[in-house]
Amino acid sequence: DAKTTQPPSMDCAEGRAANLPCNHSTISGNEYVYWYRQIHSQGPQYIIHGLKNNETNEMASLIITEDRKSSTLILPHATLRDTAVYYCIVRVVFQTGANNLFFGTGTRLTVIP
Amino acid sequence: DADVTQTPRNRITKTGKRIMLECSQTKGHDRMYWYRQDPGLGLRLIYYSFDVKDINKGEISDGYSVSRQAQAKFSLSLESAIPNQTALYFCATSEGLPPRETQYFGPGTRLLVL
Repeated sequence: DAKTTQPPSMDCAEGRAANLPCNHSTISGNEYVYWYRQIHSQGPQYIIHGLKNNETNEMASLIITEDRKSSTLILPHATLRDTAVYYCIVRVVFQTGANNLFFGTGTRLTVIP
Repeated sequence: DADVTQTPRNRITKTGKRIMLECSQTKGHDRMYWYRQDPGLGLRLIYYSFDVKDINKGEISDGYSVSRQAQAKFSLSLESAIPNQTALYFCATSEGLPPRETQYFGPGTRLLVL
């Protein structure tokens, strides 16, 4: 699976949009971009995923650049409960062997009142 | 996600003891997984199961075993616990076919092996 690069931390004012960037310059054509978040010591929570088109769901929007080498997760109106570590992952079709969901170090988002 | 539950949530045990971590799900998913998370590292796959009759080793299966008692239950056992198995353990289920597969994680079990 392609490696990803994310800033280690970000702050966002409550009520404002949080824009979390992710670089995945070595992504290949069959790899999807996934975003998960982990609130302190809880299980990771799926947020959204996409291949090449922008995606939106009830939690967030995902903007993928045309060359697919980077993406941005957007939380439109951040709340204090959005404070978490956000992980950007790219992965291929599930392999028959080991299939790590490698979270890396992620971005620690702190929403400030 | 309350649909995936893990017991116990915290456990302290001694070296050499056999312990079992249990996972139950009400999502109706066939695929289940066990991961461990260590500080500064990502989640690493221990075992996974595609259905009741299917068990597969992950990257770090040595020292662990699993049992898929039913679609809803997937247990992880440490046959003889050792200190480097101290970690946060997550069970997960998934839905959808790859590459659209989405995983749902339990709340985790924090294990300390003395």
